[in-house]
Amino acid sequence: GPKVLQIPSHQIIDMGQMVTLNCDPVSNHLYFYWYKQILGQQMEFLVNFYNGKVMEKSKLFKDQFSVERPDGSYFTLKIQPTALEDSAVYFCASSLRLGGQYFGPGTRLTVL
Amino acid sequence: SQWGEENLQALSIQEGEDVTMNCSYKTYTTVVQWYRQKSGKGPAQLILIRSNEREKRSGRLRATLDTSSQSSSLSITGTLATDTAVYFCATDYQGGSAKLIFGEGTKLTVSS
Repeated sequence: GPKVLQIPSHQIIDMGQMVTLNCDPVSNHLYFYWYKQILGQQMEFLVNFYNGKVMEKSKLFKDQFSVERPDGSYFTLKIQPTALEDSAVYFCASSLRLGGQYFGPGTRLTVL
Repeated sequence: SQWGEENLQALSIQEGEDVTMNCSYKTYTTVVQWYRQKSGKGPAQLILIRSNEREKRSGRLRATLDTSSQSSSLSITGTLATDTAVYFCATDYQGGSAKLIFGEGTKLTVSS
């Protein structure tokens, strides 16, 4: 079936550094999403993106977070600067229309 | 939280048994989606059931939706060890939104 890829699978960085998480969504999908999951807890919505713009974002989507998808390439989540509480697994998802999101395998971010 | 406390549970059963997992939600939704997340993987959608549907089946899976009580269930018949995973239900926040609000999930362990 359709696959969403995420690069890297694991990223370790020092607090205060910048990190970019990359997502390769399903090729014909139009909606893109980031979710955050702290170990053992439920997945939480961060942001969704359509037609080059953020549509909705949650209170977890701090000012230090940004998303973009330049020229139909990777859909990225950038955190600058990172904080200890940003340590989590970040899942990217994409969908052709509202509903039926396909998720990637996640990027485990460890902030030291 | 939009989810009831009954969502947080762990179930351990033997292969071949049937199982039903429940969730309840507090905010209006137009769809309930059930996802399965295996260890170290991203969630995979199992069934999407719309507010005008009371039941939906897919292979060994059956989802129900009761909008009057704002609850949904997912049943698996003839479980297999490979069904071991965390099962989440999710709604589209306040109906028609692109973001998914996930419940805390049910950790299902199927022993062979």
